[in-house]
Amino acid sequence: EADIYQTPRYLVIGTGKKITLECSQTMGHDKMYWYQQDPGMELHLIHYSYGVNSTEKGDLSSESTVSRIRTEHFPLTLESARPSHTSQYLCASSLVTGGYTFGSGTRLTVV
Amino acid sequence: AQTVTQSQPEMSVQEAETVTLSCTYDTSENNYYLFWYKQPPSRQMILVIRQEAYKQQNATENRFSVNFQKAAKSFSLKISDSQLGDTAMYFCAFIPYNTDKLIFGTGTRLQVFP
Repeated sequence: EADIYQTPRYLVIGTGKKITLECSQTMGHDKMYWYQQDPGMELHLIHYSYGVNSTEKGDLSSESTVSRIRTEHFPLTLESARPSHTSQYLCASSLVTGGYTFGSGTRLTVV
Repeated sequence: AQTVTQSQPEMSVQEAETVTLSCTYDTSENNYYLFWYKQPPSRQMILVIRQEAYKQQNATENRFSVNFQKAAKSFSLKISDSQLGDTAMYFCAFIPYNTDKLIFGTGTRLQVFP
């Protein structure tokens, strides 16, 4: 079944550690996105990609980085995690304007 | 700036009743898509309903329907015959035709009581 997968689902990690949040989709979508969702549930776009080797920063400044080497894979990396990075991270993809499919999210806690 | 406003942070409704969630937006664009997304507790965000701005007819998906008022820039969601499984955060969002970035509202938390 075509879908979008995020791993891990939950992650608790110490300050200063490097982490990579995985996002993969099996739908062949060109466009992929990362959103940060704060405790108040508001969603902020932090990165997006319109295809392989294309990445752009979103509306909310983030210390994370992304890469898009394959169409189906859009990982997000934090080189040195801090407590301020504690949040939920949602990955999404779309084929045509208007149809976002979201992953289940990664809930990150940095202690 | 293009914004989406959901003025109801929380709402509640009794099972089988009808509830309407409000959404207004601000844009200078004439062509865009509007959406309602549902995010159940600890579960995946899913698309509930979609409306294209050039279509005057209001979109309907089973128990979910919208009241789209383009001139007023209003896009409310009506849930009929509410079910316990409708308990979730509901986000209103839109995309102008010239961009692929969803602009979200702050969400409305809906609780359905038995």
